[in-house]
Amino acid sequence: GIQVEQSPPDLILQEGANSTLRCNFSDSVNNLQWFHQNPWGQLINLFYIPSGTKQNGRLSATTVATERYSLLYISSSQTTDSGVYFCAVERPTGFQKLVFGTGTRLLVSP
Amino acid sequence: GAVVSQHPSRVICKSGTSVKIECRSLDFQATTMFWYRQFPKQSLMLMATSNEGSKATYEQGVEKDKFLINHASLTLSTLTVTSAHPEDSSFYICSALPAGGKRSTDTQYFGPGTRLTVL
Repeated sequence: GIQVEQSPPDLILQEGANSTLRCNFSDSVNNLQWFHQNPWGQLINLFYIPSGTKQNGRLSATTVATERYSLLYISSSQTTDSGVYFCAVERPTGFQKLVFGTGTRLLVSP
Repeated sequence: GAVVSQHPSRVICKSGTSVKIECRSLDFQATTMFWYRQFPKQSLMLMATSNEGSKATYEQGVEKDKFLINHASLTLSTLTVTSAHPEDSSFYICSALPAGGKRSTDTQYFGPGTRLTVL
C-alpha cells in the first residue's frame, strides 16, 4: 500500500521562528491534506492541496505531485501552533479512505 | 458549522466488558462515517468505513466481530468494542463525510476522539 513519511519527527522552536515540515508519499495521489492535531486530540483541517501552493495566514503549503512530496510552512510560530501535524493522502483504490503520515510533533516554547 | 461530536470523551472499563462509542454529526447529514484508531504517539489508522443503512467495511486486519459498527441514521454511527482487552486501549476518532459527497475534494470532519482504557 501507499507509504506516507513525514520529517522531522520532532521539532522544537522558539516562539517567532519559522519552520518547514515535509511529507513524502510513495504513489500518485488525488487528494492530499494537512491536519493539525491539538494537544487534546482534535484534528483540524489545514489544507486540501493535491498540487500547487496555498496560503492561509501564517501557514502555507506546497505540493509537488510529480515528485511526490508536500511541504507545510509555518511562519512566526506561536505557542498555540504546538501539537502534531499530519499529512494524509487518499488511497488510490479507496474513495476518501485516508492514509495518514507518520506525523511531526511540534513544540513551540515562549 | 460542520461539527462532529463523540461520546464519551473518556471511558475506563474492565477487561471482558463491551464499550459503545457514539459519533454524531450535529449540523449536517452524513451517509459515510469513518472510524480511526490512534495509539499513543502514533499516527491514525483507518479501521472501518460506516455507511448509513448498510454494513460497514473493515480494513485488513481489523476484526469485525470485535469492533461492531452501526450507522443507523444519517447523523449517528456507533462503534462497540466487544470483550475489550487491555490491548484495545487507544484513542478512537471518527470522521463524517457530508451526504452527497462524491469527490475526493469533499472534506471529512473529525470528532474530538474517545480515549478508551481497558483495565
